[in-house]
Amino acid sequence: NAGVTQTPKFQVLKTGQSMTLQCAQDMNHNSMYWYRQDPGMGLRLIYYSASEGTTDKGEVPNGYNVSRLNKREFSLRLESAAPSQTSVYFCASSPSGPLSNQPQHFGDGTRLSIL
Amino acid sequence: TQLLEQSPQFLSIQEGENLTVYCNSSSVFSSLQWYRQEPGEGPVLLVTVVTGGEVKKLKRLTFQFGDARKDSSLHITAAQPGDTGLYLCAGGSTSGTYKYIFGTGTRLKVLA
Repeated sequence: NAGVTQTPKFQVLKTGQSMTLQCAQDMNHNSMYWYRQDPGMGLRLIYYSASEGTTDKGEVPNGYNVSRLNKREFSLRLESAAPSQTSVYFCASSPSGPLSNQPQHFGDGTRLSIL
Repeated sequence: TQLLEQSPQFLSIQEGENLTVYCNSSSVFSSLQWYRQEPGEGPVLLVTVVTGGEVKKLKRLTFQFGDARKDSSLHITAAQPGDTGLYLCAGGSTSGTYKYIFGTGTRLKVLA
């Protein structure tokens, strides 16, 4: 019962470095999401993919790019990491979007620190 | 921009007490979901409410969606230490986009 798998679980970067966070789901879901979670801020949507081949910006997309590689995989890239991007990043998937009232399934997160 | 505000932000109570968490917005949502998150893990869905005025019960937890689908509440009866965690509400966008809007969260600690 893998569900949503995120790698890596922890990462420390220096300012200006780049990296890609990986996410894969094995539930045949159409929609996938990337969130960041900061203390006192709840979860904020970075990017989402309603279906394979489409991506759209969320609330806080600046400094990030995404790729929906196939139906299973949705990656998040930081091109030039900044200390403000220190956060816990969560990937989620759902069968389809909110209008169908389907729940989201979350991975366990990637804890990213940028020095 | 749709926003969801949760209150209280923090809550520390004794085992056996009752509590209510609120999730409020000025926007209408297609549905409202409640999640619980444990340290080091992702949020896990507790319930989805869809219809205005809907009430759902999950053992000692009672969830209600406001009549106008703008707010929701979570009531816990006789809280137990196992209820400790971060509670998050999330509203489904009605704008036709595939977005969920999350509340700021309520961190609950139940003391034995």
